[in-house]
Amino acid sequence: DTGVSQDPRHKITKRGQNVTFRCDPISEHNRLYWYRQTLGQGPEFLTYFQNEAQLEKSRLLSDRFSAERPKGSFSTLEIQRTEQGDSAMYLCASGNTIYFGEGSWLTVV
Amino acid sequence: GESVGLHLPTLSVQEGDNSIINCAYSNSASDYFIWYKQESGKGPQFIIDIRSNMDKRQGQRVTVLLNKTVKHLSLQIAATQPGDSAVYFCAENTGGFKTIFGAGTRLFVKA
Repeated sequence: DTGVSQDPRHKITKRGQNVTFRCDPISEHNRLYWYRQTLGQGPEFLTYFQNEAQLEKSRLLSDRFSAERPKGSFSTLEIQRTEQGDSAMYLCASGNTIYFGEGSWLTVV
Repeated sequence: GESVGLHLPTLSVQEGDNSIINCAYSNSASDYFIWYKQESGKGPQFIIDIRSNMDKRQGQRVTVLLNKTVKHLSLQIAATQPGDSAVYFCAENTGGFKTIFGAGTRLFVKA
């Protein structure tokens, strides 16, 4: 499979816990994005990487959120001290025309 | 602020009929537009794109029309099939890295 891969696909966590999602983009893509999507809404931009450099962060990305792409390949999105409002699908995408992975569903209970 | 929106939240069509999903955009600086299909529980899937120097582009069973005068985008699906049932998003890009999505239109295909 040469598409965008995300792990885990589903995560249930208790409020206050930390969670981390991993994204493996399409191998030749320099651009990598994280989006968040809630039920009934379109994806909302969170952050963007060009290779290992994080070039843009949305105001949606509070200080509890951190994203990294240390070697310009895979990326991680960490949410610290999760809140119920963080429950959403976190989508990773890569490419100039963005191609999405299948998403990581987060449920905070 | 600038936004991408959709005229109708849901669309119901008979199998075999053609579907037309509409989208309005407000950012006149947008020069690249994409349609995505999202099935339940899955990530958005790229369908077709169009740049602002074009007004029509065709794919397999799909056609995207762009009217820059009225800032309107549409996706036409020919001979709609049950497998086309999904939520469809239009998205716009102003030439940078940020692609902005609308809220989506749910397409129901009746057998």
